[in-house]
Amino acid sequence: GNSVTQMEGPVTLSEEAFLTINCTYTATGYPSLFWYVQYPGEGLQLLLKATKADDKGSNKGFEATYRKETTSFHLEKGSVQVSDSAVYFCALRGYGGATNKLIFGTGTLLAVQP
Amino acid sequence: GAVVSQHPSWVICKSGTSVKIECRSLDFQATTMFWYRQFPKQSLMLMATSNEGSKATYEQGVEKDKFLINHASLTLSTLTVTSAHPEDSSFYICSAWDSSGNTIYFGEGSWLTVV
Repeated sequence: GNSVTQMEGPVTLSEEAFLTINCTYTATGYPSLFWYVQYPGEGLQLLLKATKADDKGSNKGFEATYRKETTSFHLEKGSVQVSDSAVYFCALRGYGGATNKLIFGTGTLLAVQP
Repeated sequence: GAVVSQHPSWVICKSGTSVKIECRSLDFQATTMFWYRQFPKQSLMLMATSNEGSKATYEQGVEKDKFLINHASLTLSTLTVTSAHPEDSSFYICSAWDSSGNTIYFGEGSWLTVV
């Protein structure tokens, strides 16, 4: 079945450091891929998405490229801020059939220190 | 824009009692809604798919008699945790795709604490 694997946290960085959070997936067909962010005490928010191979999703300085050859969707940001501290979830939406389920990775806690 | 709202945001109940959580799509119709639970510092686990006018589809390992789901209208799904126990304490989140099927919206979540 479909699954998502993302790097374990916590990831601790200093402000303005470069961020990479790895995400790989297993799925049949052509799934859509998402990154969600959960700030402390809040619900999930969509950060970015990509629906086909080689698409790049971007938002708020974050980017992720849908790489079908490596089944990856790594999240990157060139210069993190303290306000980026949150839990980041990689997610997959299955392709075809009647499924619209979102399957989530385990989440990666990012802590940015001033 | 489309919004999914949950109620209550948090609830404390006694062990053995039942508690109901509502999930509403506020300005769009949702024939399908999803219920997730999230344990502290863990990921969201899909519990079930709520289908308007028909039975919910439960994920493997989720007790359907314990987590009753009712999707009575195109804008409302309810999750009832029956005979709650402390191990049911968790963060429950619902979601729904918008009418175009391109964007999924999440409710604010409901914290359940069973004492």
